[in-house]
Amino acid sequence: NAGVTQTPKFRILKIGQSMTLQCTQDMNHNYMYWYRQDPGMGLKLIYYSVGAGITDKGEVPNGYNVSRSTTEDFPLRLELAAPSQTSVYFCASSSGLSGRASNEQFFGPGTRLTVL
Amino acid sequence: AQSVTQPDIHITVSEGASLELRCNYSYGATPYLFWYVQSPGQGLQLLLKYFSGDTLVQGIKGFEAEFKRSQSSFNLRKPSVHWSDAAEYFCAVGATGTYKYIFGTGTRLKVLA
Repeated sequence: NAGVTQTPKFRILKIGQSMTLQCTQDMNHNYMYWYRQDPGMGLKLIYYSVGAGITDKGEVPNGYNVSRSTTEDFPLRLELAAPSQTSVYFCASSSGLSGRASNEQFFGPGTRLTVL
Repeated sequence: AQSVTQPDIHITVSEGASLELRCNYSYGATPYLFWYVQSPGQGLQLLLKYFSGDTLVQGIKGFEAEFKRSQSSFNLRKPSVHWSDAAEYFCAVGATGTYKYIFGTGTRLKVLA
């Protein structure tokens, strides 16, 4: 199993550009998450999904959009990139078998995004 | 509101010394508690987790953590640190009644040879 994969690994955007960060998991997990990690701030939840077709906002959703058309994929869309979105983005998944937020999360390797 | 506090931003220890990383949490009901490790340029990897039962939990790489309800703490320990343990460590709580997890701000561990 590849686990959770993310592409690209690195990206530089200009202000106002848009892009999609890809996330795929091959563990048949129902729950998927997008976090951003800024120095000294830990991980902040952007969006999450509890199954195909179901998404919800996290702590810091502004400037982002998501979709979940399949169990495997959970792309994150930045429509109008701003310097404040410079960060490292992590996708994660968990099975949810033991109920809600009680399962281990599996993380992808991250995408380092710079907006100039 | 549920929250996680890791009071130490940086910790430096010598190789072979013991280690304790602190984590305090607030929660409304039964806590689901986790410790993750992040090596440079990598994603997070689970070290151990606590749901219920024995309050001393064993994890991978020789780590253990003790749940103390009276102190709202879930501190991570290792008896003898190896240079490869240098990384950032995150404590996390599964937010009760939701599908979300709340992470602490992390503790960066440096190991001196």
